[in-house]
Amino acid sequence: KAGVTQTPRYLIKTRGQQVTLSCSPISGHRSVSWYQQTPGQGLQFLFEYFSETQRNKGNFPGRFSGRQFSNSRSEMNVSTLELGDSALYLCASRVADMKRKETQYFGPGTRLLVL
Amino acid sequence: GQNIDQPTEMTATEGAIVQINCTYQTSGFNGLFWYQQHAGEAPTFLSYNVLDGLEEKGRFSSFLSRSKGYSYLLLKELQMKDSASYLCAVMDSNYQLIWGAGTKLIIKP
Repeated sequence: KAGVTQTPRYLIKTRGQQVTLSCSPISGHRSVSWYQQTPGQGLQFLFEYFSETQRNKGNFPGRFSGRQFSNSRSEMNVSTLELGDSALYLCASRVADMKRKETQYFGPGTRLLVL
Repeated sequence: GQNIDQPTEMTATEGAIVQINCTYQTSGFNGLFWYQQHAGEAPTFLSYNVLDGLEEKGRFSSFLSRSKGYSYLLLKELQMKDSASYLCAVMDSNYQLIWGAGTKLIIKP
């Protein structure tokens, strides 16, 4: 099976612009979560989508939004970019097997630099 | 509130064994994950425990005690490539993962 893919891998934007990041989960995985990670910091949870519905949401401002499509692919949008939005954005897809054993895999991430 | 505690940093010697602890207080419990993250890379899935006990996977083992809110990751026969951050995360009653800050493991020759 192919892993979690994220596009683009690298992105440079300027303050005030908006950006859309894409994530394709592992086939069969219906849960997709997004995280922000800045240098030396832990993972900050943005939101989780399950079957096209936002199931959980972290403590980020409304400039951060997301959605999930019927094929489980997900997009994340950040509007009115700020310098502090420079970070590694990680997508993760998760599934539970018949024995309810969960596995969650991360994509390689999108590195966003805001100038 | 919800809280995951891990040591910030640990040092161990190549070839030795190290145990990384994780204690948690969360709203409900639907399992505990361990991840390895090398600097500049995405986290790599190591294990998932939802029942009490020890699960072994090669050089890595993970233990869970739900009554104590406690887990550990045991790394045997340490190699230099094991130098990384190790992240503990608990899935709460809403199926949201609550993350610890991570433990930076330094392996010395």
